[in-house]
Order: sequence, then structure tokens, then C-alpha cells
Amino acid sequence: AQSVAQPEDQVNVAEGNPLTVKCTYSVSGNPYLFWYVQYPNRGLQFLLKYITGDNLVKGSYGFEAEFNKSQTSFHLKKPSALVSDSALYFCAVRDTGFQKLVFGTGTRLLVSP
Amino acid sequence: DGGITQSPKYLFRKEGQNVTLSCEQNLNHDAMYWYRQDPGQGLRLIYYSQIVNDFQKGDIAEGYSVSREKKESFPLTVTSAQKNPTAFYLCASSTSGRTNTGELFFGEGSRLTVL
Repeated sequence: AQSVAQPEDQVNVAEGNPLTVKCTYSVSGNPYLFWYVQYPNRGLQFLLKYITGDNLVKGSYGFEAEFNKSQTSFHLKKPSALVSDSALYFCAVRDTGFQKLVFGTGTRLLVSP
Repeated sequence: DGGITQSPKYLFRKEGQNVTLSCEQNLNHDAMYWYRQDPGQGLRLIYYSQIVNDFQKGDIAEGYSVSREKKESFPLTVTSAQKNPTAFYLCASSTSGRTNTGELFFGEGSRLTVL
């Protein structure tokens, strides 16, 4: 079965510094990978996805993610963090057979002023 | 504006009561989903539907029921058989078929608390 792992429950970074939120995946076949963000008591918002093509994917709000097939990783990155980036981030992979997504457990990002 | 509307946003229930959470979308999406979110566990799929009048169980369907009588609507009933119903429930939709790449569009969620 397809799965993703987010090894960090929380990531702390100072405003203006680069941030990385880690995700590794396990799939059979070619992976369809996604990042979503969730603010408190809100639904999830789509940030970006990797289907095929360039390993560096650019998304919303200045975020990008790097697909690394050899390391089976899809880390989320941003060159300069903002306090408003503080939220819960989910990595997800599309399951085989149907387009439902399998989500990781989430990583809380805390950006300090 | 196009989107997904979930209601109510907050709901309190006494043990032994069934409750129904509403999910309506005007995105003309064929597929709809219900996820449950618990702290530290991410999102777990309850039920999903690819087309009207058809739905499938997800990973944690026990104690839940759904219907899909209209394309726009996918209500979720949390029954008294669900042992730990207190959670945040998220509805989502997507396109379907060969053009779909998996992106889901989410509602704002419904928080259910059992007293």
C-alpha cells in the first residue's frame, strides 16, 4: 500500500530563515505526491504537487518541494520563513486504483519572530 | 464562489445519538470524500464516492454511514455505534477519471464533540 511518513512532529524556525519540512514516501509505481497546509480549525489548502517532470516543484505562497527518487523523499521548502507560515503541514500520496489520497501524520511548523 | 460547504462547524452530541454532517459542493466534481482528523494521526479516510448512487468504505468506516443521492451532496452520519466519535471531520471533492491527478478540495470542517 502507498504511504508517506513525516518524521518530525514539529519544526521550529526563525522568521527570515529557510525552512524544510520532511516527507518520505513508499509507493509501487510512479508517485503522485502532494503538500497541503492547515490553519487552526480550518480545512486543508493545496500547496503543490509532483506528478512528473522537474524534480523541483513550485507552489503557492513561495513554497517549493524537491522530489528525490533515490531517497524516496519529497521535502517541502521555503527560502525565507514568515510568521504567517506557522501551521500544520501534511504530505500525501495518491493511492493506486483510485485517486484517494493517503496522508502523513502532519508536521507543525512554528515560525518565531 | 465555487467551493465546498460543511455544516455545522461545531456540533455537540450526547452518547447514543446519531448525527448527520452536511457536505455540499458546487465545483461539479464527481468524487467526494470524508476524512476524520485526530491529533497526531493525520487524516483517515472514512468513505468516498466516485459517482452518484455509489460509495465505498475507506479505512475506518465502522460506525459511519453515507449517501450520495445528488452529485452536489455527500452527507455523513455518525451513528451511536461509533465508539470514539469526537473528532474533526473534513469533506473533500475532486474531479474523476483519466484527467484527475489527485488534488483534493477541502471544506472548512465540522468539529463533533460527544458529551
